[in-house]
Amino acid sequence: AQSVTQLGSHVSVSEGALVLLRCNYSSSVPPYLFWYVQYPNQGLQLLLKYTSAATLVKGINGFEAEFKKSETSFHLTKPSAHMSDAAEYFCAVSEKGSGNKLVFGAGTILRVKS
Amino acid sequence: NAGVMQNPRHLVRRRGQEARLRCSPMKGHSHVYWYRQLPEEGLKFMVYLQKENIIDESGMPKERFSAEFPKEGPSILRIQQVVRGDSAAYFCASSDEQGGLIEQYFGPGTRLTVT
Repeated sequence: AQSVTQLGSHVSVSEGALVLLRCNYSSSVPPYLFWYVQYPNQGLQLLLKYTSAATLVKGINGFEAEFKKSETSFHLTKPSAHMSDAAEYFCAVSEKGSGNKLVFGAGTILRVKS
Repeated sequence: NAGVMQNPRHLVRRRGQEARLRCSPMKGHSHVYWYRQLPEEGLKFMVYLQKENIIDESGMPKERFSAEFPKEGPSILRIQQVVRGDSAAYFCASSDEQGGLIEQYFGPGTRLTVT
C-alpha cells in the first residue's frame, strides 16, 4: 500500500531563507508524486508534479522538488521564502492504474517570519 | 474556464439530518474524486466516480455515506443521519483522460459542521 510521510508538522523560516519541506513515500510501483498548497479555508492548488520524466521538477511560485528513488524522497524547496508562502503544504502519491487516487501526507504548516 | 465548483461552501446540520454536497467538475472532465479532511489531518480518499459509475469506493464508510455522478448534473456526496464525527471539509477533484488522469483539480471544498 502507498503511504506518504511528511517530516515536521510545522516549519518556521525567516523571510528570504531557504524553504525545505520533507516528504518520503512508499509505493510498490513507480509513483506519481505531487506537492499541493492550501491556504486557510481554501482548496488545494497544485505546486508541481513528478510523472517519471525529469527528476528535478520545477513548479509555480519558485518551488521545486527532486525525486530521489534511492531515498524514496520528494522534498520541496524554495531558495528564498516570501511572506505569501505561509500556508499548509501537502505531499501526495498516486499509482498509475489505480485510478490515480491520491494518498496524502499529514501536511506541513509553513510559517514565514519577517 | 471555470474550475471545479462545490456547493454549498459551508453547511451546518444537526445530528440525524442529511447532508448533500455537490460537485461540478471542470468542463470536459468526466472523472470525479471525493476526499475528506478531518481537523488537523491530511486529506483521505473516499470515492472515485465516472459518469454513472462508481469505480473505487474503498475509502467510503460502510454506512450512511453514498455518492453518485449522474449522466447529467453534478456529482453528489450524501451523508445520512449525520453525527458530530462527520464534521470535516469535503473536497472534490476532477480529472480527464486526455491528461492520463494524472492531475487532479480541486474545488474549494464544503465545510460541514454537525451540531
